[in-house]
Formats: sequence, structure tokens, C-alpha cells
Amino acid sequence: DQQVKQNSPSLSVQEGRISILNCDYTNSMFDYFLWYKKYPAEGPTFLISISSIKDKNEDGRFTVFLNKSAKHLSLHIVPSQPGDSAVYFCAASELSGSEKLVFGKGTKLTVNP
Amino acid sequence: DVKVTQSSRYLVKRTGEKVFLECVQDMDHENMFWYRQDPGLGLRLIYFSYDVKMKEKGDIPEGYSVSREKKERFSLILESASTNQTSMYLCASSLIRGSGNTEAFFGQGTRLTVV
Repeated sequence: DQQVKQNSPSLSVQEGRISILNCDYTNSMFDYFLWYKKYPAEGPTFLISISSIKDKNEDGRFTVFLNKSAKHLSLHIVPSQPGDSAVYFCAASELSGSEKLVFGKGTKLTVNP
Repeated sequence: DVKVTQSSRYLVKRTGEKVFLECVQDMDHENMFWYRQDPGLGLRLIYFSYDVKMKEKGDIPEGYSVSREKKERFSLILESASTNQTSMYLCASSLIRGSGNTEAFFGQGTRLTVV
């Protein structure tokens, strides 16, 4: 059973516009959420995270929103740039027990010039 | 900067061979992970270690084992490589919860092909 879901395999946006990547989770024990960016043939790089005590976290062009009641988070990239083209993974970890990260399947973002 | 280093970028092995994938991190992280990435399946956790000599199975441990004899090194072992283990293997490390930012840092990945 997939605990972290990214239902859009791909997303295409124009340079300068907003990119919105979505993620849903089913495990109510998750309390820490992260977004990673991955280029082909490289390891994922950490982008931004959010704790369950917050509903928004911002870092430059990247903002993550968390809606706990809906078990939904989203990553906003404004403005989008061609260099943002990559696969974005949502990940989550639990309040107690194992500290492992559970990943979604990823969304491939393409930013067109 | 945190550095997680995987011993090989590309590896080609024959079916039935015993394969060792090595990972070293230089930030004194307690947690280390092995994931594999396959198209359409995302990152799936194979094994996880939260301390020296401690390990926990992930979602897909079958056909794999791990070794963590030193804090900085976490090895993934394919006991008898099979073609369905052809994949991108990713090692990661992170601090233990409560000791600071706990995002995981990844190595560059090892593309393993089993023929």
C-alpha cells in the first residue's frame, strides 16, 4: 500500500510561470515532509522540508504548503526556470519508531523556455 | 558540506555473482539507507541502519543484505545477482531525529546492470 502518492507523473509549465507539484499521504503518523529534486544519473538533492506543526515553509522561489486535515502537501516554484526541469520526489517520515523516509513515485517537471 | 560517496557510478555484473555496493558518509550521521530507483516506481527502501551493526528491513529486502561495521560505512550486498536487480542504487544518510535537521543526503548513485 503506497503511503506517499504523487498522482501526476509529469507536469509541463512555461518559464516564468508557477509550478505546483502535489503530494498526498495516507499515514497520519507522518510528521515531517520533504521535497527532493533529481536530475538523471545523479542522486536526489534536498530542496525544502516542513514539519507538521507548520502549514507553510518558504525558501526563495520554493514554498511548501501542508494541509494536515486533507493529508496533502504541495510544492510551489515561482517563477519557474528551465533549470528546474527534473523529477521531484515527495517524502515523509513518522513521529515515532523508524526514522526511515518514505518516498512517492515522483513527478517529472519540464519548464519550457 | 555533507558528502555521501558511493564507490562506483556504473557497474556491470553477471547473473549469480555476489555484488558489493559501498557507501561512505563524512558527517557522522547515525542513519544510513539504501534505496533503489526504477522508472515509474520511485525510490524504494531496501534496508536502513540507525547505528553500527543495527539494521532494519525496508520495503524490498529480498535478495539483499547489508553490513554496517563502522558508523561511516554502509554496504549493500547482492547475494546472487539477478537481472531484475538491474537498477539505480542510491545510498543516503541523515542525523537521528532530535539532533537537528533530519533531511537525508544522497550519494550520486550506482547504476548496476546485471547481464
